[in-house]
Amino acid sequence: AQKITQTQPGMFVQEKEAVTLDCTYDTSDPSYGLFWYKQPSSGEMIFLIYQGSYDQQNATEGRYSLNFQKARKSANLVISASQLGDSAMYFCAMRDALNFGNEKLTFGTGTRLTIIP
Amino acid sequence: GAGVSQTPSNKVTEKGKYVELRCDPISGHTALYWYRQSLGQGPEFLIYFQGTGAADDSGLPNDRFFAVRPEGSVSTLKIQRTERGDSAVYLCASSLTVNTGELFFGEGSRLTVL
Repeated sequence: AQKITQTQPGMFVQEKEAVTLDCTYDTSDPSYGLFWYKQPSSGEMIFLIYQGSYDQQNATEGRYSLNFQKARKSANLVISASQLGDSAMYFCAMRDALNFGNEKLTFGTGTRLTIIP
Repeated sequence: GAGVSQTPSNKVTEKGKYVELRCDPISGHTALYWYRQSLGQGPEFLIYFQGTGAADDSGLPNDRFFAVRPEGSVSTLKIQRTERGDSAVYLCASSLTVNTGELFFGEGSRLTVL
């Protein structure tokens, strides 16, 4: 069975600093996908970044990058130059190979990030 | 609007009542998903539609839960004989193609069962 663990329930970060949100995962499948979503107070989930288990390079999308360490089974999200609008819940999620063709994601419990002016 | 629309945004009902939650996906998106998010938790998968058919309903908790998508666009999640434990935010998402990981979510329907 898949499992996603996010050990930081909440984080406070000064504006313009970089922040790392931790995510570890557990799966016996050699092929899987890892995702990060942002959930602002409005409630909708916003896709940020994706990393495939066979991707050779860490994924990057603008200020977001995913620090993928396969041997450690970790997929930390790094946000550079944080902004006040980054304050939100952040969820790490995984899809295994059995679900390719079906975005049946397993989510972690999330980290609430608060950016301090 | 251009995004995924869910109605109602809030629903309060009494235990034992029947509830319908509606999802209007982004136009042209063939894949549609329902997730449930309890307080303090991440979303949990309920059901996935590809077109009109339910391709995977393994996340539905029991037979009180049912979902339809008769014309391959709007979907309705139906909950019979509601229980207090059904209280949660029900999220709908859609995607244009599968395998991208990029789901477009609505703002959810908050269900409270008294």
